[in-house]
Amino acid sequence: GEDVEQSLFLSVREGDSSVINCTYTDSSSTYLYWYKQEPGAGLQLLTYIFSNMDMKQDQRLTVLLNKKDKHLSLRIADTQTGDSAIYFCAEITSGGGADGLTFGKGTHLIIQP
Amino acid sequence: EAGVTQFPSHSVIEKGQTVTLRCDPISGHDNLYWYRRVMGKEIKFLLHFVKESKQDESGMPNNRFLAERTGGTYSTLKVQPAELEDSGVYFCASSQGFPNEQFFGPGTRLTVL
Repeated sequence: GEDVEQSLFLSVREGDSSVINCTYTDSSSTYLYWYKQEPGAGLQLLTYIFSNMDMKQDQRLTVLLNKKDKHLSLRIADTQTGDSAIYFCAEITSGGGADGLTFGKGTHLIIQP
Repeated sequence: EAGVTQFPSHSVIEKGQTVTLRCDPISGHDNLYWYRRVMGKEIKFLLHFVKESKQDESGMPNNRFLAERTGGTYSTLKVQPAELEDSGVYFCASSQGFPNEQFFGPGTRLTVL
């Protein structure tokens, strides 16, 4: 079955860039997503990328997709204390309309002052 | 616009009891999903409704779980009888259209003692 892998923790200094990595196994993934979960809150969709793209930028967020290596990354520029959260990588394999997401276990982003 | 809401936020029950979780999707969203996160594991897809019809329930763990979505609005997920391994956080999500941006609720934390 599908598998999505992420490292469990990432620690960065405030003001530095954070890069959260994710690998997936399903070569037929059509969309890949990044979700953020703050303590006590639900999952917030940050951004997504279609599989025929290799980069997407949205303000401080940059998503890079290497489809050949099945590797997805999320870069957060100028990391702030409010970015402290769990970040989940997820993928879907469909025409974009019907299926459930397959998630990684999430990466805890820890911000050092 | 109100987001996805879930009730209750936390439920503690004894093994063998019945619990019913409720999800109210974003108004107008035809797609409704249930997910579950057991401690230390990935968030796992349970099932998907399109309006009132079950589109995919391949992730339902066993027949102790029953999901309904009468009238295509809110959904309930009943666990009967509950077992210890059912403990976890149950998330609901909804979406509409392309490319399936799923918006998540805050989750219901279920503890089975």
